[in-house]
Amino acid sequence: TQLLEQSPQFLSIQEGENLTVYCNSSSVFSSLQWYRQEPGEGPVLLVTVVTGGEVKKLKRLTFQFGDARKDSSLHITAAQPGDTGLYLCAGTGSARQLTFGSGTQLTVLP
Amino acid sequence: DAGITQSPRHKVTETGTPVTLRCHQTENHRYMYWYRQDPGHGLRLIHYSYGVKDTDKGEVSDGYSVSRSKTEDFLLTLESATSSQTSVYFCAISEQGSSYNSPLHFGNGTRLTVT
Repeated sequence: TQLLEQSPQFLSIQEGENLTVYCNSSSVFSSLQWYRQEPGEGPVLLVTVVTGGEVKKLKRLTFQFGDARKDSSLHITAAQPGDTGLYLCAGTGSARQLTFGSGTQLTVLP
Repeated sequence: DAGITQSPRHKVTETGTPVTLRCHQTENHRYMYWYRQDPGHGLRLIHYSYGVKDTDKGEVSDGYSVSRSKTEDFLLTLESATSSQTSVYFCAISEQGSSYNSPLHFGNGTRLTVT
């Protein structure tokens, strides 16, 4: 079983602060996806990274895929209350189906 | 937003009763999935379908069955509900399988409570 561990599990910060959340595994993934989920809704895809070392930016969000394709990070600059949500990473590896991490619950306080 | 409708949105049932959850899509996507979401476990795959009448098990398939008689509908059945099946169930669709990095589009979930 391929496992993805996300850290921290919970994060509460003030508006305007920067933060980084991590997604780590001992397994190699061919690609990694990041989703954001808001209460009462299903997850929504933010980005897919497929190449080791790849960096993608989505406005204030920066995603990086590790060189060995075993880990990924999400950095948010100047967080806003609208960034509040559950952030999930999901990887495609030898299991052929997406494996999800347990998520990071982010709360951005105004 | 992808056209995915899950029904019911909330259900309370008693232990030992059968329960069927429905997922309906209007996107004509080939792949459909059922996940359960529990605190501390993220999303875990129950079953998935790669075409009409073509289904396969996920990592937590025990106690669940599925059927897909039409492209647009994917049913999840709990033959005899147990308290451990209390969870939020999400349906998802994708155009291609996970090996093609195809994104998943999720419904808004069904909250099931087994008493």
